[in-house]
Amino acid sequence: AQTVTQSQPEMSVQEAETVTLSCTYDTSENNYYLFWYKQPPSRQMILVIRQEAYKQQNATENRFSVNFQKAAKSFSLKISDSQLGDTAMYFCAFMNPTSAGNMLTFGGGTRLMVKP
Amino acid sequence: DTGVSQNPRHKITKRGQNVTFRCDPISEHNRLYWYRQTLGQGPEFLTYFQNEAQLEKSRLLSDRFSAERPKGSFSTLEIQRTEQGDSAMYLCASTLRSISGTGSGYTFGSGTRLTVV
Repeated sequence: AQTVTQSQPEMSVQEAETVTLSCTYDTSENNYYLFWYKQPPSRQMILVIRQEAYKQQNATENRFSVNFQKAAKSFSLKISDSQLGDTAMYFCAFMNPTSAGNMLTFGGGTRLMVKP
Repeated sequence: DTGVSQNPRHKITKRGQNVTFRCDPISEHNRLYWYRQTLGQGPEFLTYFQNEAQLEKSRLLSDRFSAERPKGSFSTLEIQRTEQGDSAMYLCASTLRSISGTGSGYTFGSGTRLTVV
């Protein structure tokens, strides 16, 4: 079974600064997907960024980028130029694409507060 | 299409009562998932459907829980004889899974928050 660990329950950052959220995972699979989801107070889980394990290049989406270290089983999220709207819970998630159900395994989350 | 819709948004019930939640997925999505999220935690998988067939259930899904997806459209999650430990947010998500094995990403609903008093 896969496990996902987020070691930072809460973080804060000043508006316009950069913050990095940590995530580690454990799996015996070689091919898998990793995700970062954002859950604002509105509660809807929104996909921030996705990384395929067989791709060495780190994924980027505008102000969001990841540092994917496959050997270390680490998948951190960097948010550049933080905005007030980035305030939310952030969840790291794992998915094995060869499993029948493609279920997501989530970490416990990091609450990010962006301060003006 | 307005995305994944869940109703009700909030539900407060007395211990021992039965409750039912509804999820309307994106119409062309053939897979539908239920997750449970307790306060301050990440979502945990409960069950999923491929069209109308319920293909997997987590051990978290006790005998008091039942889910259906008639005709492969909307889904309902019923909890019988609710307990205080059932208090959580219940999230629904849908996705399109093709025969080749590729799929679209998950789209989540806003969840139903259940409080058992």
